[in-house]
Amino acid sequence: NAGVMQNPRHLVRRRGQEARLRCSPMKGHSHVYWYRQLPEEGLKFMVYLQKENIIDESGMPKERFSAEFPKEGPSILRIQQVVRGDSAAYFCASSPALLASNEQFFGPGTRLTVL
Amino acid sequence: AQSVTQLGSHVSVSEGALVLLRCNYSSSVPPYLFWYVQYPNQGLQLLLKYTTGATLVKGINGFEAEFKKSETSFHLTKPSAHMSDAAEYFCAVSEQTGANNLFFGTGTRLTVIP
Repeated sequence: NAGVMQNPRHLVRRRGQEARLRCSPMKGHSHVYWYRQLPEEGLKFMVYLQKENIIDESGMPKERFSAEFPKEGPSILRIQQVVRGDSAAYFCASSPALLASNEQFFGPGTRLTVL
Repeated sequence: AQSVTQLGSHVSVSEGALVLLRCNYSSSVPPYLFWYVQYPNQGLQLLLKYTTGATLVKGINGFEAEFKKSETSFHLTKPSAHMSDAAEYFCAVSEQTGANNLFFGTGTRLTVIP
């Protein structure tokens, strides 16, 4: 049973370019969460999605960031016009619909470097 | 509002010594509590979790943590450190109902000295 998969594992972009980060949840999981980890910091919640719905985006920057989790395919975190401050590790986590403990299963992360 | 405080961003112990990593939380309602471990350039792996019931929780790799409601703490311990325990450890909380997202502490980097 494959775990949460993220790709790419490393992404380098120049300022002003777009970054697309992909997350495939564990089989049977319909809830996806995105977190950002800045250097030397803990993970900060960004967005929580279920299939075709954004449930909570309270941690998402208001501009340039968007997320989706389509009916088919992986969840995508999209960052437009990247800036150096976007350099971070972006982690995706997933959970099944009815897991009472709120336990989340994390992917290996995508490390974004903005030059 | 939820928040997590991990005292000590860096902890060093000798191999075979007791490991104690501290975590305090603030929450308006009893939370779920988690400890995750992160090895370099990897994702987070769940060590243990507290939801309800017994307040002493045993996890993987010999780690355990005790939920103390009166102290709003969930400290992580291991009786005898192993070299392979060197990693970053994160304490996290979530609400039992409502929001599902996790609130993380800033992490404690554990170094094990041979």
